Amino acid sequence: QQQVKQSPQSLIVQKGGISIINCAYENTAFDYFPWYQQFPGKGPALLIAIRPDVSEKKEGRFTISFNKSAKQFSLHIMDSQPGDSATYFCAASVQGAQKLVFGQGTRLTINP
Amino acid sequence: KAGVTQTPRYLIKTRGQQVTLSCSPISGHRSVSWYQQTPGQGLQFLFEYFSETQRNKGNFPGRFSGRQFSNSRSEMNVSTLELGDSALYLCASSLLLGSGETQYFGPGTRLLVL
Repeated sequence: QQQVKQSPQSLIVQKGGISIINCAYENTAFDYFPWYQQFPGKGPALLIAIRPDVSEKKEGRFTISFNKSAKQFSLHIMDSQPGDSATYFCAASVQGAQKLVFGQGTRLTINP
Repeated sequence: KAGVTQTPRYLIKTRGQQVTLSCSPISGHRSVSWYQQTPGQGLQFLFEYFSETQRNKGNFPGRFSGRQFSNSRSEMNVSTLELGDSALYLCASSLLLGSGETQYFGPGTRLLVL
């Protein structure tokens, strides 16, 4: 019940296209859903995050869509750029806890 | 403001040895969490500390331990190393403890066990 399932494992998108990564969870106690971006040789960096009382959050080219009833959330990257090529992780945490439960990651490649 | 620093960045050990990894959080941050990253298991939570107290522990054997000092710096120790302990060990700091607190990750310590 602690798992967060992420798909796809890898994704190739043309420059200017939309990249979509999906995550699903089972634990209804999760109340914080961040997305992290990781470049080779670096630690993950917070990209954008959402709480379950909001269905969508947008920051620049990055949007999280959240479906509480389906227990799913997704990351959309608009106008994808080669610099967006990285591994993306969705995560979740339970109210009052710091511990993040991560998805397995998606390796995104943006072709120029 | 300097980010999270981890030392050493790379480490090679042999089976049966022990290792200590160090993490210096962002100045003013009081919470430190540790994660293990492997290609097979992904990112897995090890433990978290706040005000020198371990607040939560992941599902790892007792060979994995940690501590936090009064200046919020943290160390983790792995005793009797096994081949499967080869991984990237990441430290993350946050201002406070709790869901929703942004965690800032360091670059990690890459441990290779031979």
